[in-house]
Amino acid sequence: NAGVMQNPRHLVRRRGQEARLRCSPMKGHSHVYWYRQLPEEGLKFMVYLQKENIIDESGMPKERFSAEFPKEGPSILRIQQVVRGDSAAYFCASSPGTGGAGEQYFGPGTRLTVT
Amino acid sequence: RKEVEQDPGPFNVPEGATVAFNCTYSNSASQSFFWYRQDCRKEPKLLMSVYSSGNEDGRFTAQLNRASQYISLLIRDSKLSDSATYLCVVCPLDSGNTGKLIFGQGTTLQVKP
Repeated sequence: NAGVMQNPRHLVRRRGQEARLRCSPMKGHSHVYWYRQLPEEGLKFMVYLQKENIIDESGMPKERFSAEFPKEGPSILRIQQVVRGDSAAYFCASSPGTGGAGEQYFGPGTRLTVT
Repeated sequence: RKEVEQDPGPFNVPEGATVAFNCTYSNSASQSFFWYRQDCRKEPKLLMSVYSSGNEDGRFTAQLNRASQYISLLIRDSKLSDSATYLCVVCPLDSGNTGKLIFGQGTTLQVKP
């Protein structure tokens, strides 16, 4: 059973470009969480999605960031017009249902570098 | 004030030593508590859940004090492979039970031969 998959693992973008990060949850999981880890900081919750629905986006920046989890395909975290401050590791976690950390499985992350 | 606070360390200890990490959280309504381990440039992995009654898993013991809003992790007989960053994690009740996690900054442990 494959774990949570994220791609790309590394992404380099110039300021002003768009970044698209993908997350495929574990088989049978319909809940996806996105977290961001800035250099030398802890992980920060961004958004929680179920299939076709955003449940909690309280951690998402108000502008330039969006997320989706379509009926078919991976969850996508999209960052428009990237700036240097967006450089970070973005981790996705999936769970089979609403629950605590014991049920959240993390992917290997996407490291975004904005030049 | 940060929601979850940890001493970032680093803690440098010799093999075989016993080391303890502490963590405090600010939201008294927090519901669930965990310790995660994160190796350099890798994803966090669940180490253990934390209960008021205390729980032990091999060389690792976790404790929760709800009155003081304090969580601890004790590692006995440290191994070189224990070198990592240990993340204190809280799941707040007021998240509407969506399961979102609040992470501390992490405490770095270096075990030396």
